[in-house]
Amino acid sequence: GAVVSQHPSRVICKSGTSVKIECRSLDFQATTMFWYRQFPKKSLMLMATSNEGSKATYEQGVEKDKFLINHASLTLSTLTVTSAHPEDSSFYICSARDVAGGAVDTQYFGPGTRLTVL
Amino acid sequence: AQTVTQSQPEMSVQEAETVTLSCTYDTSESDYYLFWYKQPPSRQMILVIRQEAYKQQNATENRFSVNFQKAAKSFSLKISDSQLGDAAMYFCAYRSFNSGNTPLVFGKGTRLSVIA
Repeated sequence: GAVVSQHPSRVICKSGTSVKIECRSLDFQATTMFWYRQFPKKSLMLMATSNEGSKATYEQGVEKDKFLINHASLTLSTLTVTSAHPEDSSFYICSARDVAGGAVDTQYFGPGTRLTVL
Repeated sequence: AQTVTQSQPEMSVQEAETVTLSCTYDTSESDYYLFWYKQPPSRQMILVIRQEAYKQQNATENRFSVNFQKAAKSFSLKISDSQLGDAAMYFCAYRSFNSGNTPLVFGKGTRLSVIA
């Protein structure tokens, strides 16, 4: 099946710094990517929907100035956590939808990034 | 807005036995997709099975099958001949049929333990 990569897999940073997480679709083009946040033993919470070449659509309660999303190409979306604080520590997962070959409903997930803010 | 409910926070099954995970959803739409995803300890989300609402036939994938009851808005997952590697969190998810921008709506998950 299709592969979605995320980098880094783990990151530890100091409070007040910014962290960038990359999400790449390796063998397909993704016009739409999704960013999720997952707390321990909880479900995935959608943060934003990212469309190639346009602004991301954020879910209610998600600060767009804090969680900057850029989807500059059909294979790359980035999430930047700006001025990170300990409460931003979480597991972040990206997902990309393969729209080629009629598989419009096939959504693949990256392996996730564990962010720890000290 | 659509909602997905998984009423079993935890389930356990003996190896080689069969287990059924429950999922109900609420929607006013007539066309949609339903999914079961597996999240093992690695936390990589893996698609287990998919059902299109317009198909009456229940989807099957090897040891995994669903019981899709559209009128009852129920979508349960049956795992046959359970294996140790089936131990994971299982999430039921809903997606509207229209538009590639529509995100998945997830249930809260069911943690499945497999007992050797």
